[in-house]
Amino acid sequence: DQQVKQNSPSLSVQEGRISILNCDYTNSMFDYFLWYKKYPAEGPTFLISISSIKDKNEDGRFTVFLNKSAKHLSLHIVPSQPGDSAVYFCAAEAGGFKTIFGAGTRLFVKA
Amino acid sequence: ETGVTQTPRHLVMGMTNKKSLKCEQHLGHNAMYWYKQSAKKPLELMFVYSLEERVENNSVPSRFSPECPNSSHLFLHLHTLQPEDSALYLCASSRGQPPGTEAFFGQGTRLTVV
Repeated sequence: DQQVKQNSPSLSVQEGRISILNCDYTNSMFDYFLWYKKYPAEGPTFLISISSIKDKNEDGRFTVFLNKSAKHLSLHIVPSQPGDSAVYFCAAEAGGFKTIFGAGTRLFVKA
Repeated sequence: ETGVTQTPRHLVMGMTNKKSLKCEQHLGHNAMYWYKQSAKKPLELMFVYSLEERVENNSVPSRFSPECPNSSHLFLHLHTLQPEDSALYLCASSRGQPPGTEAFFGQGTRLTVV
């Protein structure tokens, strides 16, 4: 039973446009959410995070939105660049050291 | 370079072999993790060590045996594995206790069990 779900295995976007990656969760005890990016043959790298007490966090071209009532978060990338092509993982924490990851969404940004 | 180094990068082993995966971090972090990533599946947390003490063990079969001799090194000892154990094994480290503590990952060991 997956507590963190990324229902879109892949997404293709034109360079310069907005990329929106979605993530749904089932556990209302999650209090922190993170996004990681992974290039082939590399480990995931941290991108941006958001606490459950906030509904938005922005860092440059990356913005994460949290809708607690819908148990949904999304990552917006504006403008998208070819170098953003990677697999994006959504992750959630509910205290302790246990971080639950989604299966990832592969983003293709076309030049 | 994230500061977390895993060796080897690739490993092919038979079901009767014994091998070990190594992870090293020089970031001054005090928590280290082993994750398993199978194709098209979420990263699965296997083990967590905090201050060299195991704090999380996610119902992992005993054919996987972790060892954390100090805060900079983490091993995963493998014996009598099954073909379904073939996956990418990722080591990570973090500073302090969550929530919101980002993890730094190594590049992973691609394991193939034949």
